[in-house]
Amino acid sequence: KAGVTQTPRYLIKTRGQQVTLSCSPISGHRSVSWYQQTPGQGLQFLFEYFSETQRNKGNFPGRFSGRQFSNSRSEMNVSTLELGDSALYLCASSLAPGGQETQYFGPGTRLLVL
Amino acid sequence: GNSVTQMEGPVTLSEEAFLTINCTYTATGYPSLFWYVQYPGEGLQLLLKATKADDKGSNKGFEATYRKETTSFHLEKGSVQVSDSAVYFCALTPPSGAGSYQLTFGKGTKLSVIP
Repeated sequence: KAGVTQTPRYLIKTRGQQVTLSCSPISGHRSVSWYQQTPGQGLQFLFEYFSETQRNKGNFPGRFSGRQFSNSRSEMNVSTLELGDSALYLCASSLAPGGQETQYFGPGTRLLVL
Repeated sequence: GNSVTQMEGPVTLSEEAFLTINCTYTATGYPSLFWYVQYPGEGLQLLLKATKADDKGSNKGFEATYRKETTSFHLEKGSVQVSDSAVYFCALTPPSGAGSYQLTFGKGTKLSVIP
């Protein structure tokens, strides 16, 4: 079974631009979460989606948004990019929301903002 | 809120040495506990998990036991290999019914194993 895939793998943008990242979960998984990884802040939760609905959002500004489609694929968007948005963005999928469900991660999208 | 504290790295060991990476947590009730590993340039891979007190998770020679009394989930391996060099993250999710199942991570421990 194919794992979580994320596209693109690498991205370079300039300040003020916007970016869209894509995540395809493991087949049959309906829950998708996004995390941001930076050297300074570590791994931080961005959003959690299930059945096309955002269930939770982390402590990030409104420039960060996301959505989930009927096939469980998810996208996240960052508008008006800032230098501090440079990070590895990781997507994780699980069968469904639940404390005992394992979240499986994709390889990430590395975003560099210049 | 929930939090995870793990030992600061980096940790450098010789091949075949014994490994312990300490992890303690703060959470309400009985969270699920995880160890993830990240190799250079890659995403996170699940190493092992435990979902209830006294459970032992194990995989690839690594083990960790869910200790509710000490709120700990220390990672151990009896004999490390060069290929174990990576960053290790301890993490938790709240128990089912909590409403939010986001992973809360520790800051990571970088392990380097030298031949």
